[in-house]
Amino acid sequence: DVKVTQSSRYLVKRTGEKVFLECVQDMDHENMFWYRQDPGLGLRLIYFSYDVKMKEKGDIPEGYSVSREKKERFSLILESASTNQTSMYLCASSFFGLRGNEQFFGPGTRLTVL
Amino acid sequence: AQSVSQHNHHVILSEAASLELGCNYSYGGTVNLFWYVQYPGQHLQLLLKYFSGDPLVKGIKGFEAEFIKSKFSFNLRKPSVQWSDTAEYFCAVRVAGNMLTFGGGTRLMVKP
Repeated sequence: DVKVTQSSRYLVKRTGEKVFLECVQDMDHENMFWYRQDPGLGLRLIYFSYDVKMKEKGDIPEGYSVSREKKERFSLILESASTNQTSMYLCASSFFGLRGNEQFFGPGTRLTVL
Repeated sequence: AQSVSQHNHHVILSEAASLELGCNYSYGGTVNLFWYVQYPGQHLQLLLKYFSGDPLVKGIKGFEAEFIKSKFSFNLRKPSVQWSDTAEYFCAVRVAGNMLTFGGGTRLMVKP
């Protein structure tokens, strides 16, 4: 079974703090994704990576950065957390190209910024 | 850019009722289509997908979806819902590469 794990299920941070969300997958997937999930808006792509040290902006990258130093690990960084970044963050992974028919999701991290 | 619309945000049904959740996308070319489900407290998982061939796709747990190209639609159906189908359902489209665009989701509550 594919496993995508996220470092925390719940996180509470203060405005201005630097926040790190970690994601690890064990299926040797090339692609990794970070989404945020908000009621009524579905999932919106923040960043994705198709290889180590490679990254591409998604639909809402402002206020976020990412790091992919190893194939299995993809980190989302909030440089200076703000209250409008309170949300559920989902990590996903998939194979690259035609093998990437399905994205596999982690359990999510619910981040609250006070 | 492509977009995905799910017109029903909340649906409440009684057990054994039939279900149809709407999904429309805006893109004129070749698309791959997906339905994902998120049960309470669980992670998103794939219900079914359409790539090519038969436009009627069958997925897990008795769900099916029909791709109607002329209507840019990919509606999800189940003839008889169960209480355990209570979840949030997301339609998604892939146009190129491996990125997905998701709809806003539909929360389904099935009353026992």
